[in-house]
Amino acid sequence: DGGITQSPKYLFRKEGQNVTLSCEQNLNHDAMYWYRQDPGQGLRLIYYSQIVNDFQKGDIAEGYSVSREKKESFPLTVTSAQKNPTAFYLCASRAGTGSSYGYTFGSGTRLTVV
Amino acid sequence: AQSVTQPDIHITVSEGASLELRCNYSYGATPYLFWYVQSPGQGLQLLLKYFSGDTLVQGIKGFEAEFKRSQSSFNLRKPSVHWSDAAEYFCAHNDMRFGAGTRLTVKP
Repeated sequence: DGGITQSPKYLFRKEGQNVTLSCEQNLNHDAMYWYRQDPGQGLRLIYYSQIVNDFQKGDIAEGYSVSREKKESFPLTVTSAQKNPTAFYLCASRAGTGSSYGYTFGSGTRLTVV
Repeated sequence: AQSVTQPDIHITVSEGASLELRCNYSYGATPYLFWYVQSPGQGLQLLLKYFSGDTLVQGIKGFEAEFKRSQSSFNLRKPSVHWSDAAEYFCAHNDMRFGAGTRLTVKP
């Protein structure tokens, strides 16, 4: 079955470390997205990519970086510059942007700073 | 600024009762609007969407939503709530922005 796979499900980061969250999709979707979810704040857009080798900052990109070297993969790196990284991270994809397509979401990665 | 607003942070209904979750939007043109549901610790699942045509749209799990341009609203409804509907619900617009969510609790 087609879908989005996020790994790991749980991730622990020490202060000052960079960590990378994986997101892979086999839906042949062009666009991919990273959201951060904190209690009571809904989903906030970190980065998005509409096509391979291109990506744009979302509303809260500071302290994060991404790459899009392959259509099916959109990894997110949480750098040491992100001062409050503890959150639930969701990856999503859809067939195009500016369209009526809804998102398909992964099951999320919960990142905790220890 | 363009936005999607969910006025209710938390709603509690009894099992079998009807449900309406509110969503208001502020866009000039007719937006594409979506409702998603999220179970605890999981990703979001698309319930339904509106982008043109009939203003009453049917979705999965027995949900429906009505687009009302005059009220700038896209409220989600269900005639009879089941205990398994307890979750968080998000309204969203096609510009990648989501509402803050409404948490639904279902009383036995």
